Amino acid sequence: AQSVTQPDIHITVSEGASLELRCNYSYGATPYLFWYVQSPGQGLQLLLKYFSGDTLVQGIKGFEAEFKRSQSSFNLRKPSVHWSDAAEYFCAVGARTGGFKTIFGAGTRLFVKA
Amino acid sequence: GAVVSQHPSWVICKSGTSVKIECRSLDFQATTMFWYRQFPKQSLMLMATSNEGSKATYEQGVEKDKFLINHASLTLSTLTVTSAHPEDSSFYICSARDSSGGDGAKNIQYFGAGTRLSVL
Repeated sequence: AQSVTQPDIHITVSEGASLELRCNYSYGATPYLFWYVQSPGQGLQLLLKYFSGDTLVQGIKGFEAEFKRSQSSFNLRKPSVHWSDAAEYFCAVGARTGGFKTIFGAGTRLFVKA
Repeated sequence: GAVVSQHPSWVICKSGTSVKIECRSLDFQATTMFWYRQFPKQSLMLMATSNEGSKATYEQGVEKDKFLINHASLTLSTLTVTSAHPEDSSFYICSARDSSGGDGAKNIQYFGAGTRLSVL
């Protein structure tokens, strides 16, 4: 069965500092991988996705993520955080077969301090 | 492109009444839509998969008669919370998959802005 683990419930970084949000998944084969961002009281916005090919994927708002098969990880990174990046971040795993059901991690809340 | 509209964004109702939430894909066709429930500071809990022209598939523990889902067209799914009670108060979010494209693209979900339901 699919599962997603985001080990950090919340993270605080200083504005301008680098950011890495961790995500580990469990799936029988290579899954589809996603990172979504949610601002308070809003729906989710897709930041980036990995389907196949280059394991380093670029997304919107300056984010990138690296798929590491050996570690079953898909960590999200940003070199310099802006105050507007404060939000909830969800890693998600999508199945390649059957209903295309997506499983979301518990989320990591990012706080940005001035 | 790929915009999902969810309405209303916020609704307050009395206990015992029913509330309907609409989810529309504005610029693409969606044979499959998903309904999630999100409790404060928690992740999304999948309630059901809404399939155009057929019955919805509910997740274990979700009451079918309580949360009625209708997906009558390729661009519209509705969730009706019947006989709402205070414990149904929550943030409900819908998403839609684009029916076109390859398998990868089909996995991308486009989310509505959510509906906050408050039952008094």
